[in-house]
Amino acid sequence: KQEVTQIPAALSVPEGENLVLNCSFTDSAIYNLQWFRQDPGKGLTSLLLIQSSQREQTSGRLNASLDKSSGRSTLYIAASQPGDSATYLCAVYGETSGSRLTFGEGTQLTVNP
Amino acid sequence: SAVISQKPSRDICQRGTSLTIQCQVDSQVTMMFWYRQQPGQSLTLIATANQGSEATYESGFVIDKFPISRPNLTFSTLTVSNMSPEDSSIYLCSVSRGLGNTEAFFGQGTRLTVV
Repeated sequence: KQEVTQIPAALSVPEGENLVLNCSFTDSAIYNLQWFRQDPGKGLTSLLLIQSSQREQTSGRLNASLDKSSGRSTLYIAASQPGDSATYLCAVYGETSGSRLTFGEGTQLTVNP
Repeated sequence: SAVISQKPSRDICQRGTSLTIQCQVDSQVTMMFWYRQQPGQSLTLIATANQGSEATYESGFVIDKFPISRPNLTFSTLTVSNMSPEDSSIYLCSVSRGLGNTEAFFGQGTRLTVV
């Protein structure tokens, strides 16, 4: 059974800092990995999708990497801003999980002005 | 991408009643899913909504409690039946265009409080 773990569970940083969020998964047989952002009480916004054949994806100040063989992904946020404050979730789409996404518990990020 | 409209955005309901949540997508999609997110927790898949047939439920979720409809490729409903305070959660609709290498998109969620 696929398990997804995110570290740290919470992170508080001053504005302008570069930061890294970590995601690990137990079964490397995946189609893709997706990073989401969730604001309190709201739905999920897709940030980046990395296919299993890719090593990284970039969108603006965000860069996500994938090391499928070791079961790891990182989300790098450059020059953080207070508006980046949210919970960040990673989810994997496994080859043996049918059409199901398996989610991590999330990292709650606070960027202080 | 896909634009998903989910209604209502929030509701406060009396225990023992039922609430139907609607999910409308701006284009045809193959896969539609319903998730529950209990307070302070991550997402748990309730079921996959299948067009023209019965939904596929995950372990721990049953049709009598969470009946789902999917009359076409752009619309689905989830009903939370005979509600209790333990059903207070955010309910989320998600779609993707096919199996495998596709991106998942989510609605804005329905924040349900049962009193």
